Amino acid sequence: KNEVEQSPQNLTAQEGEFITINCSYSVGISALHWLQQHPGGGIVSLFMLSSGKKKHGRLIATINIQEKHSSLHITASHPRDSAVYICAVSRGNQFYFGTGTSLTVIP
Amino acid sequence: KAGVTQTPRYLIKTRGQQVTLSCSPISGHRSVSWYQQTPGQGLQFLFEYFSETQRNKGNFPGRFSGRQFSNSRSEMNVSTLELGDSALYLCASSLDTLGANVLTFGAGSRLTVL
Repeated sequence: KNEVEQSPQNLTAQEGEFITINCSYSVGISALHWLQQHPGGGIVSLFMLSSGKKKHGRLIATINIQEKHSSLHITASHPRDSAVYICAVSRGNQFYFGTGTSLTVIP
Repeated sequence: KAGVTQTPRYLIKTRGQQVTLSCSPISGHRSVSWYQQTPGQGLQFLFEYFSETQRNKGNFPGRFSGRQFSNSRSEMNVSTLELGDSALYLCASSLDTLGANVLTFGAGSRLTVL
């Protein structure tokens, strides 16, 4: 059983749509990270959360510690948002990753 | 400010050989962590080094090892390479504790084992 589950696995959206990617985890955590990976491999850290909500431009990340759930929202999606989005959690001395959500935004 | 630098970017080895990958963190970052990414297993945590000491370790065999130097640069080594070791190896640096600080990733080293 994976410690971190993401949904959906694949997502196609029209430019301008509001997008939500979900992440559920089964262990107690010290922090949750949302990462973005573009084709070619480079990974960028978007958010690190331990509670509440964070916003950066068109991206919003929320976390509910009691429900062990986090969401990443993209408002007014754009083709340049096309990437794989990965949820990761840190717990003690370990770091666990979700399998990623592949997002394609069509112009 | 320079980012995280990984070398080499691409390399090809044959089974049984060993490989050493290098990671130079952002100046001032003391933690360097390593990850393996494969199509089948996704991203997996290998280990973390902080102040020249291995602080955390993922579930990988002893063929995977690493070290950190006094300038925080880190190397990872894989001995007796197997075909399944073909992967993108990523390192990330952070100011302090793994997981409680934002990570900055390098571009990765893509290893192909023939």
